[in-house]
Amino acid sequence: RKEVEQDPGPFNVPEGATVAFNCTYSNSASQSFFWYRQDCRKEPKLLMSVYSSGNEDGRFTAQLNRASQYISLLIRDSKLSDSATYLCAVKGGGSYIPTFGRGTSLIVHP
Amino acid sequence: NAGVTQTPKFQVLKTGQSMTLQCAQDMNHNSMYWYRQDPGMGLRLIYYSASEGTTDKGEVPNGYNVSRLNKREFSLRLESAAPSQTSVYFCASSEGQQNSGNTIYFGEGSWLTVV
Repeated sequence: RKEVEQDPGPFNVPEGATVAFNCTYSNSASQSFFWYRQDCRKEPKLLMSVYSSGNEDGRFTAQLNRASQYISLLIRDSKLSDSATYLCAVKGGGSYIPTFGRGTSLIVHP
Repeated sequence: NAGVTQTPKFQVLKTGQSMTLQCAQDMNHNSMYWYRQDPGMGLRLIYYSASEGTTDKGEVPNGYNVSRLNKREFSLRLESAAPSQTSVYFCASSEGQQNSGNTIYFGEGSWLTVV
């Protein structure tokens, strides 16, 4: 089993839709969790960290489920500009370096 | 406002040629990283430097060498390029293990093609 797994998608949704992605991790000792956004031919950029109690930033909500070992990203009221690849990153288990998932592709269409 | 700067942005090499990718960060970060990203493979760590003066292998170090020249700069060298090294290379930096979050910040990437 890979350390960090994501459904590659693509998730194809209309504008205004709500979409959610999950990211599972195998190391139960993982401590820190992140979502990055990567536009085509650009570098990954931090979207948000994921806190134990869950956190929200505008239309974006991140959740952590330690029991089932996954994090989620919910995007409400999708915009065309949300089209990108979303990478999860997980840190812990003896290393301070996050391990990245392969990313989930989101396409928002008119 | 530069963050992480890497050069060159694009490079075409012939098999067997050597080259060095340069990277510098102005955020006073302790740790620096080199990743490669290939379709379907995600980001894979090549080498990292936890702090000035130290370097360690990541997941895919074969065919590469690195130098942490000072706190700001971390270069990646391909001694004898192979077509399998055609990829997008990202340099990155972070505060390091002292920071519980250790958010990683990426450069804009270097597109390398080996023919």
